[in-house]
Amino acid sequence: SQQGEEDPQALSIQEGENATMNCSYKTSINNLQWYRQNSGRGLVHLILIRSNEREKHSGRLRVTLDTSKKSSSLLITASRAADTASYFCATVSGGYNKLIFGAGTRLAVHP
Amino acid sequence: DAGVIQSPRHEVTEMGQEVTLRCKPISGHNSLFWYRQTMMRGLELLIYFNNNVPIDDSGMPEDRFSAKMPNASFSTLKIQPSEPRDSAVYFCASSLRGDTQYFGPGTRLTVL
Repeated sequence: SQQGEEDPQALSIQEGENATMNCSYKTSINNLQWYRQNSGRGLVHLILIRSNEREKHSGRLRVTLDTSKKSSSLLITASRAADTASYFCATVSGGYNKLIFGAGTRLAVHP
Repeated sequence: DAGVIQSPRHEVTEMGQEVTLRCKPISGHNSLFWYRQTMMRGLELLIYFNNNVPIDDSGMPEDRFSAKMPNASFSTLKIQPSEPRDSAVYFCASSLRGDTQYFGPGTRLTVL
């Protein structure tokens, strides 16, 4: 069963614009991770935020976590055509590091 | 580092045949995960191993699916007999301490 639900399901923007994707989950978590998947490829880890953290940055990526609302957001600033991909949030709960993925957001960045 | 290696990259087989997917995790990683991805069901965790021991196989669809990890550098996912509904992309991932998972390129399975 899926723990995370991404919103929107699809997002289309122009190069240079910012892209924001949201993720909601249902149960308490140890951490939340974001992954990117280019068409026909495996997933690539982008960033991990722990349950006691509220915000994290990595290059053009900014992730926030609101455990009271059980939600997270991924912001990609100054988007590029190369950012075109599907983005997945995944949560880790319990004693073992088992990732539960959401359905993903398909991002298209147009030149 | 070569990353997670999966073979074959593509597999086309007929219904009823046995299919074996292979995975070599990143050297030194102690956790290994098998996922299946379809348009309808998204990414599903099938099974994961910690230190070569299966920890949770609750995602394995049915008895036709089995997975083994005979040593720290090799795992197999077997489907016997295969059915058309098994058509999907199967990913293997490995991790150290479990925080970040590193995915292989996947095996695209088509069962006719």
